Amino acid sequence: AQTVTQSQPEMSVQEAETVTLSCTYDTSENNYYLFWYKQPPSRQMILVIRQEAYKQQNATENRFSVNFQKAAKSFSLKISDSQLGDTAMYFCAFMKPIYQAGTALIFGKGTTLSVSS
Amino acid sequence: DVKVTQSSRYLVKRTGEKVFLECVQDMDHENMFWYRQDPGLGLRLIYFSYDVKMKEKGDIPEGYSVSREKKERFSLILESASTNQTSMYLCASSLVDREGNTIYFGEGSWLTVV
Repeated sequence: AQTVTQSQPEMSVQEAETVTLSCTYDTSENNYYLFWYKQPPSRQMILVIRQEAYKQQNATENRFSVNFQKAAKSFSLKISDSQLGDTAMYFCAFMKPIYQAGTALIFGKGTTLSVSS
Repeated sequence: DVKVTQSSRYLVKRTGEKVFLECVQDMDHENMFWYRQDPGLGLRLIYFSYDVKMKEKGDIPEGYSVSREKKERFSLILESASTNQTSMYLCASSLVDREGNTIYFGEGSWLTVV
């Protein structure tokens, strides 16, 4: 069974600074997908970024980028130029390829990020 | 935009009551999911469905059942609510897609069992 571990329950950062959130996972699959979701106080889950395991290039989305280390099974999220609106809980998630119906996301326990001015 | 709608945002129910949580998606997605979110435990999968009338147990199905009579609607049922089922429940949907399609979430249903 796959597992996802986020070892940092809480983190804080000043506006404009850079912060990195850690995520490790365990799987015997060779092909899979990894995600970072953001959950602000509204509780709406928002996709931040995703990475296909077969791609060596790290995914980037504006201020958000990942450091994907497949051999180490590590998938960290870097937020550059942090903004107050980045304050949220961040979840790392794993998904097997959707070759079959019903594949579900497996989530870590989350990291609460606080951005202060 | 894909929309996943959870009609009941806040519910208070008594122990032993039968509770229905409804979820509707408007993008013809095959997959639908119910997660439960608790502090310090993240999101845990209760049940998922990959087609009408099809369902699979997730990690924590005990005390829950589901119904999917139509493709767009996936209901979570608590046959006899208990206080340990007080939680936030998130519904989600996705396509069956070889590109590893995104899963879309509803806004959540807060359930308090007293």
